[in-house]
Amino acid sequence: NAGVTQTPKFQVLKTGQSMTLQCAQDMNHNSMYWYRQDPGMGLRLIYYSASEGTTDKGEVPNGYNVSRLNKREFSLRLESAAPSQTSVYFCASSAQGAVPDTQYFGPGTRLTVL
Amino acid sequence: LAKTTQPISMDSYEGQEVNITCSHNNIATNDYITWYQQFPSQGPRFIIQGYKTKVTNEVASLFIPADRKSSTLSLPRVSLSDTAVYYCLVGDVLGNFNKFYFGSGTKLNVKP
Repeated sequence: NAGVTQTPKFQVLKTGQSMTLQCAQDMNHNSMYWYRQDPGMGLRLIYYSASEGTTDKGEVPNGYNVSRLNKREFSLRLESAAPSQTSVYFCASSAQGAVPDTQYFGPGTRLTVL
Repeated sequence: LAKTTQPISMDSYEGQEVNITCSHNNIATNDYITWYQQFPSQGPRFIIQGYKTKVTNEVASLFIPADRKSSTLSLPRVSLSDTAVYYCLVGDVLGNFNKFYFGSGTKLNVKP
C-alpha cells in the first residue's frame, strides 16, 4: 500500500516548456487535489476532483490544466511554464464522506522554471 | 471560507507541553476544525479534527470552546522530532469536496 505517489520528484524547465505531473493513489479514494506551496508559505489549492470524471478550479488555477484519468490517477499539466510557477507541488486524496475527511498527501514534486 | 489566524512561530524545549492557538472568528455552523503537521520536504499529515469541546488521540488534544471562534492544539511532552509547521484548517464538505484553506501555519521549533 503505497498511499499517494507522485512523479517526478524534481524537474527543471525552461520558460515556455510544458510538462505533466503525475499522481496516483491506491486507497480507492473518491476525491483528489493538487496544491502548490511556495517557499515559507502555506498550501494553495490549484484544482480538485471530487469524483472520477469531475474537476473544478481551486484558489490558483491559472496556467494549469488537470485530468482525472480514472479513480486512481489525477494529473496536472503546465502548458507553457513560467518562472512564477516555480514551487513544490503536492497531490492529495481523501475518501470523502459526510464530514471533512483526512487528506493524504504525496511526497511532492519540486519544480523550477528558469 | 473561514480564514484562520495562528502565531507565525513558537519555540519550546523537549519535554514541555506546547499549546498552539488558532483564531477562526467567522467559523460556520457546519465547519470542522482540523490540524495538519508538515515536516520539511514532506507533504502535510493529519493530526486531529474536532467540531466542539475536546478531542484527544494518541498524538495530541484539541480544545474547542463553546463559541468555536478559536481552538487550541495541545502537544504533550514534545520532542525534537515534533519540530514542524502546524496548520489549522477550518472547513466543511461541500459537494463531496473538502473545502479547506491552508494558512501560513505555525512553525514550532523544539530545542534540546
